[in-house]
Parts: sequence; structure tokens; C-alpha cells
Amino acid sequence: QKEVEQNSGPLSVPEGAIASLNCTYSDRVSQSFFWYRQYSGKSPELIMSIYSNGDKEDGRFTAQLNKASQYVSLLIRDSQPSDSATYLCAVPGGSYIPTFGRGTSLIVHP
Amino acid sequence: KAGVTQTPRYLIKTRGQQVTLSCSPISGHRSVSWYQQTPGQGLQFLFEYFSETQRNKGNFPGRFSGRQFSNSRSEMNVSTLELGDSALYLCASSTLAGVENEQFFGPGTRLTVL
Repeated sequence: QKEVEQNSGPLSVPEGAIASLNCTYSDRVSQSFFWYRQYSGKSPELIMSIYSNGDKEDGRFTAQLNKASQYVSLLIRDSQPSDSATYLCAVPGGSYIPTFGRGTSLIVHP
Repeated sequence: KAGVTQTPRYLIKTRGQQVTLSCSPISGHRSVSWYQQTPGQGLQFLFEYFSETQRNKGNFPGRFSGRQFSNSRSEMNVSTLELGDSALYLCASSTLAGVENEQFFGPGTRLTVL
């Protein structure tokens, strides 16, 4: 049974701070990893994809991947109240059936 | 470029009925995947279609089925509805086959089974 684990939160950070979201996975053959943002009552929105070990930066977002330790993280710099949402980690895995984490709720307070 | 569209957006059915949901992918995308999202189980994969062929299927009963047309539009059908089928049904499209590629979600269809 493939697993993708995320801390459900809520993770509360002040505006302007760095929010750090973490995800661990069990399927060692996974080659691609995705972060989605989901606002309440809306559908998931792809914000980052990462395929290689190391960091990938896109604006205020940085994804970090460590395949040896089987974790992927998302850093949000200069957090804004509009970043308040649930962040889902997705790991397709070797069986080509994607597994999503349950998501981490992020609250950015002014 | 228009995003993924799903119809209807909301649906209310009673137990035992069947329902058909529709998804139009982003223009040029040939892969369509379907997901069920509930508060209890989170986001779960139903199936993926590419070039009118089902590529893989999640762990759902045979009451859940789907198909894809030559224009890449897809439908999913749920027969003999149960109360537990109440959920947000999401469709996602991708340029390439395989859920290991970037997927873009539609707004979803909220199904309520009474």
C-alpha cells in the first residue's frame, strides 16, 4: 500500500514569514512529485512539480526533493494571507496510480 | 487557453439512480483522469483515459465506469448510487499519457446522493 504522509495542520504563520510544508512517501520508484494548492470549496491547482533531487524555485515557492530520505517539501517565502489554503502533495509512484496526501492546512495571519 | 470544464457543477440524486458526469480537457490535452474527493478519504484516483483507452484504474467498484471520445472529452458514469458516493468528482487533463505528468484540474462536480 503506497502512502503519502502530510501533517494535517493547521500550520499557522504570520504574514511575511516562511511557511514550510513537508511530505513523506513510501514508494521508492516514484520519479515525479507535485504540490497542489486547494482553496476551500475549489479544485486543486498545480503550483509546483519536481523530478530531481535538490531545490526548484518558482517565485516565492521552492520545492525540495530528497529521494534517499523519501521526502519532498514546499517552502513559501514572504507568506501572504492569500496563501491560506490546503496544500496537497501528490506522488504518482511506480504503478501509475497517483497517491495524494491528505493535505496540510496553512493559515497566514496578518 | 480555456481550462478544464466539467458539467454539471452540482447534482442531487437519490440512492439507486445512475449519473453521468462530463469533462472537457484543455485544448490539445489527450489524457483525462478522474478523481473522487471526500472529507474522509481525501483525493482518490478513479481512472485515466488516453486516446479513448483506459490506461489504469483505481480501487473502486465496477459501478464506476468511464469513457473517452475521439475529441478527448470524457464521461464517467456511476450506477446504482449509494449514499457514500456523495463527493466532489474532479477531472484532470494532461498533454501526455500517464499520471506522472503534470495534471490540471477542472472545477469539479459536487454530487449529493440522498
